[in-house]
Amino acid sequence: ETGVTQTPRHLVMGMTNKKSLKCEQHLGHNAMYWYKQSAKKPLELMFVYSLEERVENNSVPSRFSPECPNSSHLFLHLHTLQPEDSALYLCASSQDLRATEAFFGQGTRLTVV
Amino acid sequence: GIQVEQSPPDLILQEGANSTLRCNFSDSVNNLQWFHQNPWGQLINLFYIPSGTKQNGRLSATTVATERYSLLYISSSQTTDSGVYFCAVEGVIDYKLSFGAGTTVTVRA
Repeated sequence: ETGVTQTPRHLVMGMTNKKSLKCEQHLGHNAMYWYKQSAKKPLELMFVYSLEERVENNSVPSRFSPECPNSSHLFLHLHTLQPEDSALYLCASSQDLRATEAFFGQGTRLTVV
Repeated sequence: GIQVEQSPPDLILQEGANSTLRCNFSDSVNNLQWFHQNPWGQLINLFYIPSGTKQNGRLSATTVATERYSLLYISSSQTTDSGVYFCAVEGVIDYKLSFGAGTTVTVRA
């Protein structure tokens, strides 16, 4: 059982679809993150939220839109994606932004067709 | 940003063997974590170890922060140890976790 839960686990979407990924953490953490893991590449940080405010947007295309309505929930809204966006999307949380242990969810494996 | 190098990239072990994975990093760190990624993609926390030595069952880790490296030891390996092991570090200036490329471990029965 993980303290960070992601849904859905798998998602197949067309390039014209709109979908959302959800992340929920039950650890009382203040910081939440979205990472992308493509085949044969290291994990890439996409977005960082601290106390519900975005503190990092790592040159991510606007077709990815994050939302953090409260400290326990993080969403990644997807629209007009490209096939190269197919990847494993991982959510993580940590107590604070600095020098604290990060915990990851199970990931959403996204396929864009 | 901080650079993280893991070695070896691939490791094949016979069940029961011991192994050492290495993580080198290019700058001082506030945080260093070792993760195991299971076949379903989840990153499992192994160690939070910015310095010193820790042990958890058959696994142990040592970080020598002054020399900018960390080692993960797997003893008496089992087939369930197979997967990708990642090292991730947080620099003292940059709060972001930077990941290495991982070591893919295959343990054969």
